[in-house]
Amino acid sequence: AQTVTQSQPEMSVQEAETVTLSCTYDTSENNYYLFWYKQPPSRQMILVIRQEAYKQQNATENRFSVNFQKAAKSFSLKISDSQLGDTAMYFCAFMKYYEKLTFGTGTRLTIIP
Amino acid sequence: DSGVTQTPKHLITATGQRVTLRCSPRSGDLSVYWYQQSLDQGLQFLIQYYNGEERAKGNILERFSAQQFPDLHSELNLSSLELGDSALYFCASSKNARQGEGYGYTFGSGTRLTVV
Repeated sequence: AQTVTQSQPEMSVQEAETVTLSCTYDTSENNYYLFWYKQPPSRQMILVIRQEAYKQQNATENRFSVNFQKAAKSFSLKISDSQLGDTAMYFCAFMKYYEKLTFGTGTRLTIIP
Repeated sequence: DSGVTQTPKHLITATGQRVTLRCSPRSGDLSVYWYQQSLDQGLQFLIQYYNGEERAKGNILERFSAQQFPDLHSELNLSSLELGDSALYFCASSKNARQGEGYGYTFGSGTRLTVV
């Protein structure tokens, strides 16, 4: 079974700074997808970014980018120019082809004004 | 609005009771997934339906059951409720007709169940 590990339960950073959230996963599969979801205080689950394992290029969505290291099974999320609205729980998730999403335990990120 | 509709948003009930949570997937999505999120925990997969049929099952208790109807809406039934069943229950649907196309899920806003 696939496992997803987020080793940072909580992080905080000053507004406008850059922060990186870590995620590692364990799988024997070669083809899969990785995701970062954001859960603000409203508890809504919001897709932030996705990465296809067969693509070497790291995904980028505006201020959000990932560092995907397939051999190391690492998938970190970098948030640039952090904003107060980025305060949320962030979940890393893994999906093997045609199967369910498996989530990590989350990192609680607080942006300090 | 994500397009995935969950009702009710909040539910308070007593131990031993039975409740039904409802989910309408995003238009065109055939897969529906149910997840449970206990307080300050990650999301635990319960069950998946695809076009009316059960496709995958996670750590779903025998007291819990689900189904997907011909109009693709889904219901999660929780019976003999215990205090530990208090949680946020999410429904999600997938973008493409085939499961696991890799675009992630679209989540509803969840149903917060409180068992007293």
